[in-house]
Amino acid sequence: EADIYQTPRYLVIGTGKKITLECSQTMGHDKMYWYQQDPGMELHLIHYSYGVNSTEKGDLSSESTVSRIRTEHFPLTLESARPSHTSQYLCASSATGGNQPQHFGDGTRLSIL
Amino acid sequence: ILNVEQSPQSLHVQEGDSTNFTCSFPSSNFYALHWYRWETAKSPEALFVMTLNGDEKKKGRISATLNTKEGYSYLYIKGSQPEDSATYLCAFRGSGYSTLTFGKGTMLLVSP
Repeated sequence: EADIYQTPRYLVIGTGKKITLECSQTMGHDKMYWYQQDPGMELHLIHYSYGVNSTEKGDLSSESTVSRIRTEHFPLTLESARPSHTSQYLCASSATGGNQPQHFGDGTRLSIL
Repeated sequence: ILNVEQSPQSLHVQEGDSTNFTCSFPSSNFYALHWYRWETAKSPEALFVMTLNGDEKKKGRISATLNTKEGYSYLYIKGSQPEDSATYLCAFRGSGYSTLTFGKGTMLLVSP
């Protein structure tokens, strides 16, 4: 059973809309991550956080932004969605410590028309 | 950008077959190697986190080995079952980095 939750699972929306993808975890993990994955491609890290008020950009440049106001919550926002943002977005968290595994949510499949 | 390669890209085996996949990663500045299993319509699930050269880990019928000097890890599945059908991902963490770099995965299909 999941201790990390993403909503919505699927979203089809028009160009220009503001979108927020939600991610919450109940494990008390300090570290949280957002990945983007296109079909047949690897997971690319777009944002991560080491704790409240900490956010960093990942390896893949993204027009999205994130916030970390509470430990358990790490939402991702697109101010003005474009078709190029169509992708799968996965949220993950991990405990503090060098070699902790990451725990993933079920993902959000985003389609921008 | 770190390069993590997985092979084969996909694999189709019969129930009962044993199989293995490869993950190649940079042989310098190694910190850890992760393996995840990702079943369709589910979330990726951690299998192993490996840190030491020569490390071997086992979970049921699945095991993994690690060679940090030559930069590869093998994942083995003994007596594959249809429920083993999934994409298997490896992810590399380099020394001095705090995040993971994932490979594209190996998609395994096990037919009854």
